[in-house]
Amino acid sequence: DTAVSQTPKYLVTQMGNDKSIKCEQNLGHDTMYWYKQDSKKFLKIMFSYNNKELIINETVPNRFSPKSPDKAHLNLHINSLELGDSAVYFCASSQEFRTGPYGYTFGSGTRLTVV
Amino acid sequence: QKEVEQDPGPLSVPEGAIVSLNCTYSNSAFQYFMWYRQYSRKGPELLMYTYSSGNKEDGRFTAQVDKSSKYISLFIRDSQPSDSATYLCAMSGTGRRALTFGSGTRLQVQP
Repeated sequence: DTAVSQTPKYLVTQMGNDKSIKCEQNLGHDTMYWYKQDSKKFLKIMFSYNNKELIINETVPNRFSPKSPDKAHLNLHINSLELGDSAVYFCASSQEFRTGPYGYTFGSGTRLTVV
Repeated sequence: QKEVEQDPGPLSVPEGAIVSLNCTYSNSAFQYFMWYRQYSRKGPELLMYTYSSGNKEDGRFTAQVDKSSKYISLFIRDSQPSDSATYLCAMSGTGRRALTFGSGTRLQVQP
């Protein structure tokens, strides 16, 4: 299936732990994103990579570190997890054109709960 | 003030009704406008994509963009219970910028 797939779907962990979320797309897109969706459904950009190059790095705590080993993969590592990190994290990809982005394809999300 | 404002709802309508969903925005650099539909516990999926001002129709869905008023709309005709979801508007300027999303409107279509 052509898609954006992220793992795990659910993650429950204790405060202070370190965890990673993985994302892979087989759509041939050249840009990938991490978005955080809070309990009110608001989607906020965290990071964006274009062909393994970090192009957007919004104001997020430096406990969050993205890594893109190749243009089909974008992982998110979170150190020292806090209660406020509980949210749904979405990976997305798109094909950028000179004039702007086309629509994103989203993964199904990783529901992170920090206890 | 957020760059993109969207009424969170919930909006409850009877089956067959015409639904109007709206967003306002403040950034005049936005040129690309999209609507996403998100079912519960799923990722958003692209519904409509419009560049600059004008209308676009796709089946029961019509997207309108009025850049002079910084206002975009999504109309759903003959709404169905399967349309029950959260609808998110999203927009972007040119260049390497990520989409800015509205907070979503939850729609419930009652059978």
